[in-house]
Parts: sequence; structure tokens; C-alpha cells
Amino acid sequence: GENVEQHPSTLSVQEGDSAVIKCTYSDSASNYFPWYKQELGKRPQLIIDIRSNVGEKKDQRIAVTLNKTAKHFSLHITETQPEDSAVYFCAAFYNQGGKLIFGQGTELSVKP
Amino acid sequence: GAGVSQSPSNKVTEKGKDVELRCDPISGHTALYWYRQRLGQGLEFLIYFQGNSAPDKSGLPSDRFSAERTGESVSTLTIQRTQQEDSAVYLCASSPASSGGQETQYFGPGTRLLVL
Repeated sequence: GENVEQHPSTLSVQEGDSAVIKCTYSDSASNYFPWYKQELGKRPQLIIDIRSNVGEKKDQRIAVTLNKTAKHFSLHITETQPEDSAVYFCAAFYNQGGKLIFGQGTELSVKP
Repeated sequence: GAGVSQSPSNKVTEKGKDVELRCDPISGHTALYWYRQRLGQGLEFLIYFQGNSAPDKSGLPSDRFSAERTGESVSTLTIQRTQQEDSAVYLCASSPASSGGQETQYFGPGTRLLVL
């Protein structure tokens, strides 16, 4: 069935270190993979997305990689800052039903 | 321009009462989504509208939940005979695409529902 697994559920890093969050999906036909950041009490905000025709996309300190064969994708944050602290959600678009299925979220804590 | 708006921002109700939650999508966005987010949990898909039709209602938890959309604008999510387990934040999102979720979804601020 439709499923997106996300790991780890919590991640604590020191300011300046890198953070990596990984997701796997079950539908090999999925072709769109966004990442959302949700600060406490706020709405989810898109931070980066990737489509299946590329393997990597970068935007300043944030990058996403996609391995379609293995059906997994990852978010990489370099030079982390305290304001990066939030819950991060990955998602995969399922063609059947036309909907995004979200992972369970990763609570990232960046310690000064 | 204006983003997705939702009302009310907070709702406290008694078990057994009906509630109606409203979502105003970004003007021109054809697709609209409802999600439920329980405390500390992920985003649970409820229903998706393309225009005013709902191709996928598979996420609605029970027949107490229903949703409708007027044209390509406002949507309402109705929960009848609310239960305590309905307590959650209900998020609405819209996107411009006719192809469902392959375009960026923009989220509203959510409605925090508490059922006593």
C-alpha cells in the first residue's frame, strides 16, 4: 500500500554540524518528493522538492538526493543553525489517487 | 497575494456536537487537500478536491467526516457527533495544478480542534 517511512524520528546536532534525514517509499511510480519544515505551532512550509528526473537538487545549505532504484530519498542540511530546529516531513506523490503521503516527521534540534 | 486561510483558528466543543471547519484556498488554485495532524504526529491525508469534485475520499476516518467544496474556492470539513479522538489540528492545503499533488502544496495555519 501507500507508505512513506522516515528516519530518524528525532535528531540532535551541534550548531555547524550536518544533519541527514532519510525516507523510503513504496510506490515505484512516485515521481515527486517534497520536504516540509514545520516550526512549533506553525504551518508546514516547503523547503525543497525533487522530481524523479533528477538525482540531486541543492539550495544553499539544503540538498535532497533521490535513488529511484532503491526507492529512497534524503534531506541534507549543512552548517546547521539553531533556527533550523523544527520538525521536518518528507512526502511522496502517489499517482493513484493523486495525493501526497507524508512521513512521520523528524524533530531536529540544533544546539548552539 | 493572500495565502491559504482557515477558520476558526481554534475550536473547543463538547463530545457529540457537530463542527464545521472552513478553508479558503489561494485564488486560482484548483486542487485542495485536507489533512489531520494529531499532537506530535505526522500529516494524515483526509480528502482531496480537484475543482469541486473529490476524486479521493479514502482518508476520511469514518462516515462522521464529510467535506464539500464550492467551485474552486471555499471548502468545508464537517465532523458530526465529535469524539475525543477527533482532537487534532486540521490543516488545509491548496495547489495550482490539475495533476494533483505534483505541484507545491501551500498550507493554511490550521484549525486546532479540542473535543472535551
